[in-house]
Amino acid sequence: QKEVEQDPGPLSVPEGAIVSLNCTYSNSAFQYFMWYRQYSRKGPELLMYTYSSGNKEDGRFTAQVDKSSKYISLFIRDSQPSDSATYLCAMSEVGGSTLGRLYFGRGTQLTVWP
Amino acid sequence: DGGITQSPKYLFRKEGQNVTLSCEQNLNHDAMYWYRQDPGQGLRLIYYSQIVNDFQKGDIAEGYSVSREKKESFPLTVTSAQKNPTAFYLCASSSQGESDEQYFGPGTRLTVT
Repeated sequence: QKEVEQDPGPLSVPEGAIVSLNCTYSNSAFQYFMWYRQYSRKGPELLMYTYSSGNKEDGRFTAQVDKSSKYISLFIRDSQPSDSATYLCAMSEVGGSTLGRLYFGRGTQLTVWP
Repeated sequence: DGGITQSPKYLFRKEGQNVTLSCEQNLNHDAMYWYRQDPGQGLRLIYYSQIVNDFQKGDIAEGYSVSREKKESFPLTVTSAQKNPTAFYLCASSSQGESDEQYFGPGTRLTVT
């Protein structure tokens, strides 16, 4: 069983739709949660970063972490064609020998059509 | 401009040849990482280094080697022992510390025929 599960999609929505992207995980030691956006043939760029449980909002993006359910989400409001990309969730533990190491989901491919 | 550079962007090699991928950062980050990405799969960790002259194997280190002689540089060698070397290779760096985000380079697409 993989430590981080993410539905690869593809997900296709019309412009203006609300997009929900999700990941589940099995390691209860994960405390730091990140979302990366990756355009085709480019390196991933950090989109959102949260610590422990709760919500974080940045413009049209909201990241949610539910540690009791081991479930994280990224919501995109008023989606735009420029949001078309692959979204990767990533997480890391606190302490231990794996300091700084990230565990990634497979990524969800999103297409927003005009 | 601060950032991570990887070169070249595209690389072609014949089977049986070793090839070295370059990764340089001027962010003054202590930790550096190499990942491999295949279609439909997430990022898989090959090697990582938290300090100069020290590095650890990731999940798929077989057939790869690295060195960390300088803080700014973390080259990856794909050896002939790597059975399926064709992939997109990504280098990342972060400040030392468990809460620090990783920043990625633009990647190198390696094709071995």
